[in-house]
Amino acid sequence: DTEVTQTPKHLVMGMTNKKSLKCEQHMGHRAMYWYKQKAKKPPELMFVYSYEKLSINESVPSRFSPECPNSSLLNLHLHALQPEDSALYLCASSPGRGDRSYTFGSGTRLTVV
Amino acid sequence: GNSVTQMEGPVTLSEEAFLTINCTYTATGYPSLFWYVQYPGEGLQLLLKATKADDKGSNKGFEATYRKETTSFHLEKGSVQVSDSAVYFCALTRNYGQNFVFGPGTRLSVLP
Repeated sequence: DTEVTQTPKHLVMGMTNKKSLKCEQHMGHRAMYWYKQKAKKPPELMFVYSYEKLSINESVPSRFSPECPNSSLLNLHLHALQPEDSALYLCASSPGRGDRSYTFGSGTRLTVV
Repeated sequence: GNSVTQMEGPVTLSEEAFLTINCTYTATGYPSLFWYVQYPGEGLQLLLKATKADDKGSNKGFEATYRKETTSFHLEKGSVQVSDSAVYFCALTRNYGQNFVFGPGTRLSVLP
């Protein structure tokens, strides 16, 4: 298995809703990432988990809450989002130290209404 | 700090034309360099990479050479196809860092 799987592919949520994005990989990678990509822009790093511990939080608002239950799973819990949070949310993984080749998922396209 | 600059496009070519997308970088130390491709409505796919100076990455007819003297990693393809239409991102990462630095992306449209 050489993929990063993200679910759902599309999500529409209201500003008062609570939802979660899921990411899964079975490549034995020990680093996992959340990126946010707005239209016609490059991805922007949000969070990094290394060996299941949060190692980087790029000053992301607390309405985004990451969770790494185990080495294969990464969640992003969403609560009280704003319309400007609408974007493509990409998950990625990498082996850890050494090889820096990220594998990206196809993303979850989130619309906040 | 680390940064990546690339031609923003859009670049429009006819099928079978030669493609060059310029990419230059600023980084301390010895970064690894990457090209990622994003097809419409999809995530990013690794196209090719190079981890040290003078390395050449290649895949699907695309090539790029890590030039430390000019701090460049230009993407080339000899004959583009309509199916190559996508956004191409140049990126770097430090060997002991965990964060990719992406360029702004170059949109390529190939016309039949």
